Amino acid sequence: EDKVVQSPLSLVVHEGDTVTLNCSYEVTNFRSLLWYKQEKKAPTFLFMLTSSGIEKKSGRLSSILDKKELFSILNITATQTGDSAIYLCAVEGFLGFGNEKLTFGTGTRLTIIP
Amino acid sequence: NAGVTQTPKFQVLKTGQSMTLQCAQDMNHEYMSWYRQDPGMGLRLIHYSVGAGITDQGEVPNGYNVSRSTTEDFPLRLLSAAPSQTSVYFCASNPWAQGLGETQYFGPGTRLLVL
Repeated sequence: EDKVVQSPLSLVVHEGDTVTLNCSYEVTNFRSLLWYKQEKKAPTFLFMLTSSGIEKKSGRLSSILDKKELFSILNITATQTGDSAIYLCAVEGFLGFGNEKLTFGTGTRLTIIP
Repeated sequence: NAGVTQTPKFQVLKTGQSMTLQCAQDMNHEYMSWYRQDPGMGLRLIHYSVGAGITDQGEVPNGYNVSRSTTEDFPLRLLSAAPSQTSVYFCASNPWAQGLGETQYFGPGTRLLVL
């Protein structure tokens, strides 16, 4: 069974700090790892990672994947109160045509104190 | 495009009642799925469909039925609601051209309370 574990479960930091969120996984036939940000409603897409060692960046957010050690990190630098959210990690497993699924972790709840 | 729509936004049910959560998309996506999200947990896959007439079970299918008679609609039926089904339900669709990847579109969610 596919499994995604995120840590920490919860994190409280001050505005301006840098945070690192972790995601480890076990999946049959890995295809991609995805990061989402969830505020009060549906998750919104941040990054998709498929290759080891290639950093993806978007403003103050960046992410990297290690397919040998089966984990990914999401970094947020110079945090702002608008970064407060639940960050979800998901992996896509591929078991054949018509048998592709996303498995989500429990998420990390990030709170930024002004 | 309206994207992925879900109705109702919020529903209260009594134990044993049945109801259908509606999900529709106007993007001609083949892949549609239902997730539930409970406090402190990520999204868990209930059922999914890769096209009209084709459905399959996800991680937590018990107590739920689905059907896919058209590409646009993917309703989720609760046959006999239980308090354990209190949750937020998200429907998602995906063009599924080359994997699920970054093209997953989520609906706004339905908050369900079963008393």
